[in-house]
Amino acid sequence: DQQVKQNSPSLSVQEGRISILNCDYTNSMFDYFLWYKKYPAEGPTFLISISSIKDKNEDGRFTVFLNKSAKHLSLHIVPSQPGDSAVYFCAATDGGLTHASGGSYIPTFGRGTSLIVHP
Amino acid sequence: EPEVTQTPSHQVTQMGQEVILRCVPISNHLYFYWYRQILGQKVEFLVSFYNNEISEKSEIFDDQFSVERPDGSNFTLKIRSTKLEDSAMYFCASGQVRYEQYFGPGTRLTVT
Repeated sequence: DQQVKQNSPSLSVQEGRISILNCDYTNSMFDYFLWYKKYPAEGPTFLISISSIKDKNEDGRFTVFLNKSAKHLSLHIVPSQPGDSAVYFCAATDGGLTHASGGSYIPTFGRGTSLIVHP
Repeated sequence: EPEVTQTPSHQVTQMGQEVILRCVPISNHLYFYWYRQILGQKVEFLVSFYNNEISEKSEIFDDQFSVERPDGSNFTLKIRSTKLEDSAMYFCASGQVRYEQYFGPGTRLTVT
């Protein structure tokens, strides 16, 4: 049961252009969404997040958009750089609704999208 | 910049053997996690540890698995009687607050 889906296993983009990575979720209890980036031989690195009370969060070249009605979020990278080439994981958590204070908020990950940015 | 470290980077073991994967979380963090990623599949949550006890675990984390924080710095995952399907990358993560997870580089476990 894939609660978090990244339907594109890979994406290829030219340097300087926009990269758009998409993610869909099925669990309406999710209230916090995260994007992680993973290089080979390294663990995932937190990139950017968004709470369900917002529809956009921006951090430098990275912007995450959330469409709650469509249960869809996307990560935009503008402009894309060759160093952005990595696997990007979308993740979601329902921590605010089901866990007691002080507990852990475990994200559910998608399968990842491999982004290749060509020079 | 402080980081989560994991040893060994690659562990090869025979089916039925026990392995211990080691992690040193970032020193002032309070939440500790283990995840695994089978090749080509998604990152899967195994267990979280807070206040010296397991706070949450997934269906994957059955009696074959155990975690320990034997001292103030290490966080270990023990897998007893390993099976071929335990072959995966195992990631440790830690965080100072909820939602925050800093991942280590992972240990590749190969069960033959």
